[in-house]
Amino acid sequence: DAKTTQPNSMESNEEEPVHLPCNHSTISGTDYIHWYRQLPSQGPEYVIHGLTSNVNNRMASLAIAEDRKSSTLILHRATLRDAAVYYCILKTSYDKVIFGPGTSLSVIP
Amino acid sequence: NAGVMQNPRHLVRRRGQEARLRCSPMKGHSHVYWYRQLPEEGLKFMVYLQKENIIDESGMPKERFSAEFPKEGPSILRIQQVVRGDSAAYFCASSQDVQGEKLFFGSGTQLSVL
Repeated sequence: DAKTTQPNSMESNEEEPVHLPCNHSTISGTDYIHWYRQLPSQGPEYVIHGLTSNVNNRMASLAIAEDRKSSTLILHRATLRDAAVYYCILKTSYDKVIFGPGTSLSVIP
Repeated sequence: NAGVMQNPRHLVRRRGQEARLRCSPMKGHSHVYWYRQLPEEGLKFMVYLQKENIIDESGMPKERFSAEFPKEGPSILRIQQVVRGDSAAYFCASSQDVQGEKLFFGSGTQLSVL
């Protein structure tokens, strides 16, 4: 079973920020928090990952709670191309990676 | 640096035939994961392999399905005696042997069983 829980769906207006939450209350010390997204009819693609500190890259920001039991993926300005299913997963070495159902993000023009 | 290559992109088989799906990981990656995705559903874990070893195959059906990742060459997901229920998109992902390292996914193989 997936170790993370996410809302099934969210909506955002175009060009507004989007905060996608993820709960992972059973996270262990060696688990990295990863986010991937899957556009329609495509394979998943990596978005961002982190361990304890907040992370920024060209696609998004990742805010990790101090107790690491939750995290938030932040898209600073949603575009229509950001409409996708977003998956939050935990990854540690030498262990399978389980994806939950993810959050389906709709972007409204 | 080429990404994860999966072939074929589309594979059509008749019931009872064999399907072989290939996945070439990114250069330098020694970990491979296979996932199955039915329409409108999420990614279901199948198997996790390292070079020449199966680390976790808890998501593989007990019969007809097998996977390998030889020392040389691509990883192969093999489905014997396919049935209509095997029709799905099959994705593989690879990663480096580094703790917490990100996954790179291929474009998938769409298997259709007639």
